[in-house]
Amino acid sequence: AAGVIQSPRHLIKEKRETATLKCYPIPRHDTVYWYQQGPGQDPQFLISFYEKMQSDKGSIPDRFSAQQFSDYHSELNMSSLELGDSALYFCASSFGGEQFFGPGTRLTVL
Amino acid sequence: GNSVTQMEGPVTLSEEAFLTINCTYTATGYPSLFWYVQYPGEGLQLLLKATKADDKGSNKGFEATYRKETTSFHLEKGSVQVSDSAVYFCALIILGGGGADGLTFGKGTHLIIQP
Repeated sequence: AAGVIQSPRHLIKEKRETATLKCYPIPRHDTVYWYQQGPGQDPQFLISFYEKMQSDKGSIPDRFSAQQFSDYHSELNMSSLELGDSALYFCASSFGGEQFFGPGTRLTVL
Repeated sequence: GNSVTQMEGPVTLSEEAFLTINCTYTATGYPSLFWYVQYPGEGLQLLLKATKADDKGSNKGFEATYRKETTSFHLEKGSVQVSDSAVYFCALIILGGGGADGLTFGKGTHLIIQP
């Protein structure tokens, strides 16, 4: 069965650079969620989109933005990167219920 | 707001031992409850869920019962295996609020099973 696809799987950036993470939901899923998991931490909800509209907002920094496109894939844009942004970023997708998680993108900021 | 509290780890057990990982929650509405498992270097996998009081979720020998009176959703397994070693997250969500709400996770419990 198709799963949630995230790219890239690993990303290394310098401080103050920008990063773009991509998420491709399971086919026919209309909702995408983004989570951030710091080292040894629990995942924190950042933002979600339903039918290409922002739906719910969690603890997403102002330096981050996201959108969902017409093909339902989503991108998380991160600017002015800080050392503390180093984390595993998960995308999840759903269709009216259970969230299915992708494998994550590990972002390292040097 | 919503929050999930689960027992701190690591929890170290011998193979075939009985497992309990405690989870309690506070919620502003009527939550659905979940246990997720994360193996080293991997993403989150849904282990089991329960959507209303007294429901029992079960999967791969793991069980958890939604206890509204004690606001708890403790994870149990009768006989653990080395392959169960992972980090376990208890989580909740309030559905039906009209938005695509995010999950609220506990801090995670690292389970180590020794042969």
